Amino acid sequence: KQEVTQIPAALSVPEGENLVLNCSFTDSAIYNLQWFRQDPGKGLTSLLLIQSSQREQTSGRLNASLDKSSGRSTLYIAASQPGDSATYLCAVQNGGGSNYKLTFGKGTLLTVNP
Amino acid sequence: AAGVIQSPRHLIKEKRETATLKCYPIPRHDTVYWYQQGPGQDPQFLISFYEKMQSDKGSIPDRFSAQQFSDYHSELNMSSLELGDSALYFCASSPRPPLAGSTDTQYFGPGTRLTVL
Repeated sequence: KQEVTQIPAALSVPEGENLVLNCSFTDSAIYNLQWFRQDPGKGLTSLLLIQSSQREQTSGRLNASLDKSSGRSTLYIAASQPGDSATYLCAVQNGGGSNYKLTFGKGTLLTVNP
Repeated sequence: AAGVIQSPRHLIKEKRETATLKCYPIPRHDTVYWYQQGPGQDPQFLISFYEKMQSDKGSIPDRFSAQQFSDYHSELNMSSLELGDSALYFCASSPRPPLAGSTDTQYFGPGTRLTVL
């Protein structure tokens, strides 16, 4: 059974700092890994999707890496802003028979202080 | 761009009542997914449909049922509601079933917040 763990559970940084969020997963037979953003009580916004054959993806100030063999991914946020404050969720899509579902981590609650 | 539409956005029910949640996928998306997110929890996969057939099933209680209709919208029916069913229910859609090497993400709707009193 796939399990996804995110560290840290919460992070508070001053505006302008670069930061790294970590995600690990137990079953490396994945199709892809995604990072989502969730504002309180709101829906999920996909930030980056990394295919299993890729090593990293970049979008603006965000960079996500994937090391499939070791079951790890990181989300790097450069020059953080107060508007980046949200919960960041990592999710993996497994291959094989149950490849429809996303398995999520519990998220990292990020607070960027002005 | 069109997004996933969910209705209602908020729903309050009493214990043992029934509830029906609706999901309208992005046009030309034929795959629909349902997730449940309890307070302070991560989203948990419930069930998915591809071309109106159930494609995968997760931790969905027997009291819940779902289907996808000919116009690709989906409904999640919940009976004998319990306090523990209070959660945010997300629907997501994608243009096709997930395949190896796929770049298709699942596009999530805003969710239906169900409160069971």
